[in-house]
Amino acid sequence: GEEVAQTPKHLVRGEGQKAKLYCAPIKGHSYVFWYQQVLKNEFKFLISFQNENVFDETGMPKERFSAKCLPNSPCSLEIQATKLEDSAVYFCASSQTGHTEAFFGQGTRLTVV
Amino acid sequence: QKEVEQDPGPLSVPEGAIVSLNCTYSNSAFQYFMWYRQYSRKGPELLMYTYSSGNKEDGRFTAQVDKSSKYISLFIRDSQPSDSATYLCAMNSNTPLVFGKGTRLSVIA
Repeated sequence: GEEVAQTPKHLVRGEGQKAKLYCAPIKGHSYVFWYQQVLKNEFKFLISFQNENVFDETGMPKERFSAKCLPNSPCSLEIQATKLEDSAVYFCASSQTGHTEAFFGQGTRLTVV
Repeated sequence: QKEVEQDPGPLSVPEGAIVSLNCTYSNSAFQYFMWYRQYSRKGPELLMYTYSSGNKEDGRFTAQVDKSSKYISLFIRDSQPSDSATYLCAMNSNTPLVFGKGTRLSVIA
């Protein structure tokens, strides 16, 4: 597609439940990035993929967070056993190369109650 | 010291004013510089992309990069109420984008 598509727009989970977020990158883009935006506009990098391979996962919490980009499927970010502190907007972005313009989706607002 | 510093504002200007937004950074390895506009409850929208030092103009927007001073700017000419948003600088080398905290801009009609 011509834009990064993220679903769902909003997600509410009780503490301890699982949350799964999806991202379809722009067609032809090889790189996918996940960012977490919390209060005061802080963008925290989580993980990036080059096609279906993990490119950089230095920002991923070691526990509870996992992500995949499989061929012919939307990329996904999964949070096991959500905590209140996971409440944030999760943005996906894609780019043609690892350092050219990154285009963002509209985000998934996760609220953990 | 944060890698990227950006004054959060808020910045309020009258319609038609020239707006100057800027960021400083500490990592001399950064080569790619971007400005994003983010409306409330929306995703960041890429406005300008610049490689290395220099100027780039696109309509009412001009981006400047001064690598020697580690300083980047975004100028908005003839500002409009529709420009009211948060403006984020972002930069990288071959690494994930590092964002500033964003400057909240209000253009008053």
